[in-house]
Amino acid sequence: AQKVTQTQTSISVVEKTTVTMDCVYETRDSSYFLFWYKQTASGEIVFLIRQDSYKKENATVGHYSLNFQKPKSSIGLIITATQIEDSAVYFCAMREGNSNNRIFFGDGTQLVVKP
Amino acid sequence: GPKVLQIPSHQIIDMGQMVTLNCDPVSNHLYFYWYKQILGQQMEFLVNFYNGKVMEKSKLFKDQFSVERPDGSYFTLKIQPTALEDSAVYFCASSLDRINQAPLFGEGTRLSVL
Repeated sequence: AQKVTQTQTSISVVEKTTVTMDCVYETRDSSYFLFWYKQTASGEIVFLIRQDSYKKENATVGHYSLNFQKPKSSIGLIITATQIEDSAVYFCAMREGNSNNRIFFGDGTQLVVKP
Repeated sequence: GPKVLQIPSHQIIDMGQMVTLNCDPVSNHLYFYWYKQILGQQMEFLVNFYNGKVMEKSKLFKDQFSVERPDGSYFTLKIQPTALEDSAVYFCASSLDRINQAPLFGEGTRLSVL
């Protein structure tokens, strides 16, 4: 069964606006860790932000923030004041607390930021 | 900041040949990973490695695959023999610990099997 699901294949926004990318996950572990990475056009994979399951407060790093809805097994990524250079593929990922460190990735969401 | 380096960035080989993909992880990191990505699709877990041993491997990690990190040098992924379906971008990642740090990824090695 798919552990991490990103239903949005592609999103297009105008720069300086706010965008939300959806992600739902599946796990039986009571402890788990959620990550967002982005992959640039060059193929580079960059870690952006994380949310630990035991933390109630939504994580925020720069203009990235998370909307963690634990009862819905949902971890949305919010990018405020988008810039052209935010155009990339965004991957949601999960590590289960009892795992040997395997991280499951979603299929990714292509974000295009237009002027 | 610290970086994971992968050498080479692109490798072309004939089917049936052996290939070794090299990864230079962040110097104080202890956990190492390989992921496979086909044509910008999902990142698929292959294997992770700690303290000289494979911790976990996926179904994609075929018998033809092996990993090692001899004497704390490069973390390598060897495929012998290669098959056409091994063509993909292989990403190496490393992290300091199992819980507190998100793995840092290298820029990938594009493997083309002809």
